[in-house]
Amino acid sequence: GAVVSQHPSWVICKSGTSVKIECRSLDFQATTMFWYRQFPKQSLMLMATSNEGSKATYEQGVEKDKFLINHASLTLSTLTVTSAHPEDSSFYICSARDSPITGEAFFGQGTRLTVV
Amino acid sequence: GDSVTQMEGPVTLSEEAFLTINCTYTATGYPSLFWYVQYPGEGLQLLLKATKADDKGSNKGFEATYRKETTSFHLEKGSVQVSDSAVYFCALRKIYNQGGKLIFGQGTELSVKP
Repeated sequence: GAVVSQHPSWVICKSGTSVKIECRSLDFQATTMFWYRQFPKQSLMLMATSNEGSKATYEQGVEKDKFLINHASLTLSTLTVTSAHPEDSSFYICSARDSPITGEAFFGQGTRLTVV
Repeated sequence: GDSVTQMEGPVTLSEEAFLTINCTYTATGYPSLFWYVQYPGEGLQLLLKATKADDKGSNKGFEATYRKETTSFHLEKGSVQVSDSAVYFCALRKIYNQGGKLIFGQGTELSVKP
């Protein structure tokens, strides 16, 4: 299957700083990428959907100014957590689809963010 | 709105036991149904899927049948192994609605003991 790579796998940052997480589709062009947040022993919560070259669509309750998503190319989307706080600590997972609506969704390995 | 409900975990089984993880869904129209598996510290991997009623998805000894009459997609395996220990997510997707996004159940943790 297709490969989606996230980087970094884990990151620790100080409160008030910003952190960028990258999601890359390695062997296919991803017109659509999704960002999820997962709390311990809970399901995945969709944060936003991004389409290459356009603004991301955020789910209700997700602060778009805090979670900046950029999908500048067909193989790269980034999630930047701005002015991070301890409550932003979580496991973030991206997913990429190889065609807009009907394509299979492939998931990255996730990024563990800890804000201290 | 559309939703997926899974049986609560954790589920603890001995090696070679039979596994069933229940999944039911609520959705209008004709969603596709999926099972994903998440190993510790990793992202999700697609385990199997079914796109229409009565379809059976199968992979690695796991199988699930799309039952529209009972709105269910229960995951089964005849003989589990320690390596099957993971969290399993049931999900639905409506291809042409809501941007084709996946809606996940809450996940069921499976622990298989030797």
